[in-house]
Amino acid sequence: DTGVSQNPRHKITKRGQNVTFRCDPISEHNRLYWYRQTLGQGPEFLTYFQNEAQLEKSRLLSDRFSAERPKGSFSTLEIQRTEQGDSAMYLCASSLDPDRLTDTQYFGPGTRLTVL
Amino acid sequence: AQSVTQLGSHVSVSEGALVLLRCNYSSSVPPYLFWYVQYPNQGLQLLLKYTSAATLVKGINGFEAEFKKSETSFHLTKPSAHMSDAAEYFCAVSNTNAGKSTFGDGTTLTVKP
Repeated sequence: DTGVSQNPRHKITKRGQNVTFRCDPISEHNRLYWYRQTLGQGPEFLTYFQNEAQLEKSRLLSDRFSAERPKGSFSTLEIQRTEQGDSAMYLCASSLDPDRLTDTQYFGPGTRLTVL
Repeated sequence: AQSVTQLGSHVSVSEGALVLLRCNYSSSVPPYLFWYVQYPNQGLQLLLKYTSAATLVKGINGFEAEFKKSETSFHLTKPSAHMSDAAEYFCAVSNTNAGKSTFGDGTTLTVKP
């Protein structure tokens, strides 16, 4: 069990550019979640997947944001035409079965995005 | 809808003193409650969670929290603070044990020598 990994750890981009982040969940975890954390605030839910199906999207996820989990394993989060307000830490988490009391949501180290 | 309020964005204690971080929640369904710790430029680490099994929950690193339904609270405590406890702490609520969560804005704990 190597934990949830995210790449890159840091990304600096200019306004208007597109960026893509990757999340590798713990092996065999069915659920994968994306959160955004801005400075001084707690994480805010963006979206989640059950295997390859995207089951819920927050209103925070504007049409410039798209997330995929094509084979039910890793996931990508793309932001098109980045804005300075997109600067944040993007956190990924995974779990096996959220209704099982023995399960836990595990978080990755995050990708810090800075939009200049 | 669910929400979390963490009272006090900054808490400062002396090493060896009691740590008390406050969390109040709102939930229309029986809640699952969590405390996470976050060190600078790192992800979240689960300290403990309430899943209705017991109202007093013990977690890692000597932390514990008590679920009080009548007060809609889930405050985090540690009898004796250590320098390594200095970090940001987040309270979260969910309607499942390991699913989508709603977080508070966090409390930064400073430990003075």
